[in-house]
Amino acid sequence: AQSVTQLDSHVSVSEGTPVLLRCNYSSSYSPSLFWYVQHPNKGLQLLLKYTSAATLVKGINGFEAEFKKSETSFHLTKPSAHMSDAAEYFCVVSAFSGSARQLTFGSGTQLTVLP
Amino acid sequence: NAGVTQTPKFRILKIGQSMTLQCTQDMNHNYMYWYRQDPGMGLKLIYYSVGAGITDKGEVPNGYNVSRSTTEDFPLRLELAAPSQTSVYFCASSPQGTNQPQHFGDGTRLSIL
Repeated sequence: AQSVTQLDSHVSVSEGTPVLLRCNYSSSYSPSLFWYVQHPNKGLQLLLKYTSAATLVKGINGFEAEFKKSETSFHLTKPSAHMSDAAEYFCVVSAFSGSARQLTFGSGTQLTVLP
Repeated sequence: NAGVTQTPKFRILKIGQSMTLQCTQDMNHNYMYWYRQDPGMGLKLIYYSVGAGITDKGEVPNGYNVSRSTTEDFPLRLELAAPSQTSVYFCASSPQGTNQPQHFGDGTRLSIL
């Protein structure tokens, strides 16, 4: 079994300040982990993924995440927030179930960027 | 590049009506998925398919049916619409193989009244 907990349902930051979105996971096996972003009335877009290679993963738009096995965490960070970063972010863990790899989604973190 | 295309974008149904949500992808992906997203929640898997002619249940399959006659298309059928099925529905696809990310459509917003 696997699960994902996003520790903050809403995060507000000022433009130009750092972003931290927190995610903890549980998985019976070595997990694959993803961060997706969802802009209003849009589908989900992949930001980055961890698949047991380097523990620090760089994604699109300046985001990165660090896989910490000892803490079962996969927090998403960005050094400097931009107004266009305002969106909902989902942490996702992936494992095989049945005949395909299936995703388990966190409940999401709404990021607000203040001018 | 079209990617994953869902139709319609919005729909209102009456209780007991039926409808089909369409999903097509042009990336030749073997795997396709249907999710629903309720307010304040992450996505929950309804059904998935690993190839034409093969489908399987996800976490919340009750009240839905799917078919996969071609690689490109993966329609989702609601036979007797219920208010509990009011949600946003997302279709996704991915290549075969481990750790491949899923590509999502823009969603269908469905209200059952």
